[in-house]
This record gives sequence, structure tokens and C-alpha cells, in this order.
Amino acid sequence: GEDVEQSLFLSVREGDSSVINCTYTDSSSTYLYWYKQEPGAGLQLLTYIFSNMDMKQDQRLTVLLNKKDKHLSLRIADTQTGDSAIYFCAAQTGNQFYFGTGTSLTVIP
Amino acid sequence: DARVTQTPRDKVTEMGQEVTMRCQPILGHNTVFWYRQTMMQGLELLAYFRNRAPLDDSGMPKDRFSAEMPDATLATLKIQPSEPRDSAVYFCASGPGVGGEQYFGPGTRLTVT
Repeated sequence: GEDVEQSLFLSVREGDSSVINCTYTDSSSTYLYWYKQEPGAGLQLLTYIFSNMDMKQDQRLTVLLNKKDKHLSLRIADTQTGDSAIYFCAAQTGNQFYFGTGTSLTVIP
Repeated sequence: DARVTQTPRDKVTEMGQEVTMRCQPILGHNTVFWYRQTMMQGLELLAYFRNRAPLDDSGMPKDRFSAEMPDATLATLKIQPSEPRDSAVYFCASGPGVGGEQYFGPGTRLTVT
């Protein structure tokens, strides 16, 4: 199966930008996703990008995809305390979905 | 505000008992996914359906787990017999099609003692 890897923790100050990184191993991955999970809740889809794109922007979120390096990042501009959560990267290959271990983002007021 | 619903939210049971978890996908969605989340293994895809037919259940232990969609508004995940290692949060998600967004339910926290 595919390996999807993320760093476990990230701390940023309120108002700064956060960048969460993800690497995957299967170059045939078609869709790449970012989800947010708050304590005691299910995952919430934030955004996704098709593999033939290299960037997607949606309000404070910017996704960058480097397909050559199999590297995906999520940038959150003007990070707020409400952005504190676990962020999951996921890759879809065919009918399979592979999730990273999640990055716990802590926003310091 | 359309949402995926799951019942029960919490379930505590003894080893050997049957457990049934239910999911109501968002109306109009034709794909349904079952995931399991644990601290050790993270998020694992167990099974998923498109138009009520199982598309992939390779992530599911076949000897004790079964997943069905009796109709378009109900998906079930059954464990029989349950074991302590099945303790996890089980999420259901639905989507409008394969490829693209998935909308997760709040999860069922299962504890098997």
C-alpha cells in the first residue's frame, strides 16, 4: 500500500501562517485531500486537489502539490486559535484511500 | 444542513458479543465508507460502497466483520464476535462520487471489555 507521512506536531502563534507538510509514495495518486479533526469529532474535509494541479486556494487555505517530489502542503494564513486541531493528509490511488498519521496544530494566543 | 449520522455514539460491550453500528449517509450521496481510528494504527479504511454495492472491503477482517447497505439510507457495520482489539472509533463517511469529497459522521466509540 501507499505510505503517507506527516510530522506529528506544529505550533504557531496566532496571526502567523501555518504550513503543514505531507509526503506520499505512489505517483499514481489521483486526488490528495486535507481533513481537519477536532477533539471528539469526525474528520472535516477542508480541501482537495487533483493530481494534475499544482496549487489550489480557498480563502485562508492554500494547497501546494509538487508531484515530482510527491509532496503536498497546506498553508493556513492568519492562523486563529480555532484552527487548533489535528490535520490529516490523504491520498487516493484507484479505489484505495491512505491517510497520514495526522499533524497536531497548536495555535498559541 | 445535511450531515452523516451514526448510531450509537458510544458502545461498551463484553468480548464475544455482537456489535452493530449504523450510519445514515447524506441524501443523494452514492458512496459510503467505513473507517476505524485508533491511536496505534491511525485511520484505516475498512470498506466502501458505491450505489449500495461493495466496491472494496480489503481492509476489513472478514472472519468477524461484515458491512452492508440494506438500502440507500442505511449502512451497517457488524462485528461478531467482538474482541478487545476491536476497541476504536468507527467512522462512516459518504460522498457524491468516488474521487472528491467525503463527509464524515461523528463516529461510534466502541469499547470491548
